[in-house]
Amino acid sequence: EVQLVESGGGLVQPGGSLRLSCAASGFTFSSYWMHWVRQAPGKGLVWVSRINGDGSSTSYADSVKGRFTISRDNAKNTLFLQMNSLRAEDTAVYYCTRDSHGLGDHDYWGQGTLVTVSS
Amino acid sequence: QSVLTQPPSVSGAPGQRVTISCTGSSSNIGAGYDVHWYQQLPGTAPKLLIYGNSNRPSGVPDRFSGSKSGTSASLAITGLQAEDEADYYCQSYDTSLSGRVVFGGGTKLTVL
Repeated sequence: EVQLVESGGGLVQPGGSLRLSCAASGFTFSSYWMHWVRQAPGKGLVWVSRINGDGSSTSYADSVKGRFTISRDNAKNTLFLQMNSLRAEDTAVYYCTRDSHGLGDHDYWGQGTLVTVSS
Repeated sequence: QSVLTQPPSVSGAPGQRVTISCTGSSSNIGAGYDVHWYQQLPGTAPKLLIYGNSNRPSGVPDRFSGSKSGTSASLAITGLQAEDEADYYCQSYDTSLSGRVVFGGGTKLTVL
């Protein structure tokens, strides 16, 4: 059974940093592109970043480019999102998702982890 | 504003048919990228509902169907049930954004 479990969310002050993790199981992790998608309270889904299977290619939304870094450890089946220079508008539930075949649908989603940026 | 445009809300009575539109442009849906649909029940993570414009993952009832034409796509739900009340999102990719993922703004379906 495919499982994605996010962790690392919490309360952080503006300008601070946080590192999210997503533990994957039930599939060959290194064979899939992975994404982070976020959802601000009461708002819609917004794509944040993606990484290809071997970690050699990444892409970011303009709103987080230069502040967030996506990475993965295929030996540990774990996806990461390093978030620096956090702003109030980064407050959201962050979901880790699996891309079914590269530029495809997001066929599995984690339960999400809440990041709150506030003083 | 989202790159893909959806109506903020739709509603229907039990048993009725509703459709949710997703309007894009020549740089995303019109460029040939597939459209996918997700259902988000209250308080839960989104779930894949339709992939590749019109395909249903295993376990999704055939009451749900998708279509795509030109720069738009649609999700149809027939035989509306109370448990269909949720938020629905379309998703594709956009060439003008370096092939980045784009979502619609979401549509709240209310079952009357």
